[in-house]
Amino acid sequence: SQKIEQNSEALNIQEGKTATLTCNYTNYSPAYLQWYRQDPGRGPVFLLLIRENEKEKRKERLKVTFDTTLKQSLFHITASQPADSATYLCALEGSARQLTFGSGTQLTVLP
Amino acid sequence: NAGVTQTPKFQVLKTGQSMTLQCAQDMNHNSMYWYRQDPGMGLRLIYYSASEGTTDKGEVPNGYNVSRLNKREFSLRLESAAPSQTSVYFCASSKTGPLNTEAFFGQGTRLTVV
Repeated sequence: SQKIEQNSEALNIQEGKTATLTCNYTNYSPAYLQWYRQDPGRGPVFLLLIRENEKEKRKERLKVTFDTTLKQSLFHITASQPADSATYLCALEGSARQLTFGSGTQLTVLP
Repeated sequence: NAGVTQTPKFQVLKTGQSMTLQCAQDMNHNSMYWYRQDPGMGLRLIYYSASEGTTDKGEVPNGYNVSRLNKREFSLRLESAAPSQTSVYFCASSKTGPLNTEAFFGQGTRLTVV
């Protein structure tokens, strides 16, 4: 069956360090993969989209990689700040060519 | 710049009651979506509308109906609410299909069915 797995537990890191979040998927062959940020009580907010023919994409302190052989995407936040604390969701093409979301990784950046 | 607006923000229903969740977007987007979010399960697609006048079932459509009233508005109706429908509901929109373009989400409706 199709499955999207993100870091199963919450991730705590020290301010200034690089946070690395993982999104693994099985039985999907997505042409696109997206990352969203969600704050408590709010809707998800789009961060980055990466295509299958792109190995890496950057936006300011954010970097996403997409390895279709490993069926994995890594999401990095460099020089992390307490304001980066949130839940991060990966999403990719599921059935009927619609987005399917992972359950998210809760990141806490400690000052 | 409103984006995607959902009403209401909170709602408590008794089992068997009906209600409609409203959603409107002001970005002239073609596609609109309804998701539900439950703890540990991520966002699950209930229904979507690829364009005005069309609607399709998503992953968990049972117990729900939708109406794409016009290009701006996409409503979700619960005809006979059940406790299993207690969840946070998000409406979203995108310019075209959801895969190669970003989706914009509303702030959510927290629904409790007792």
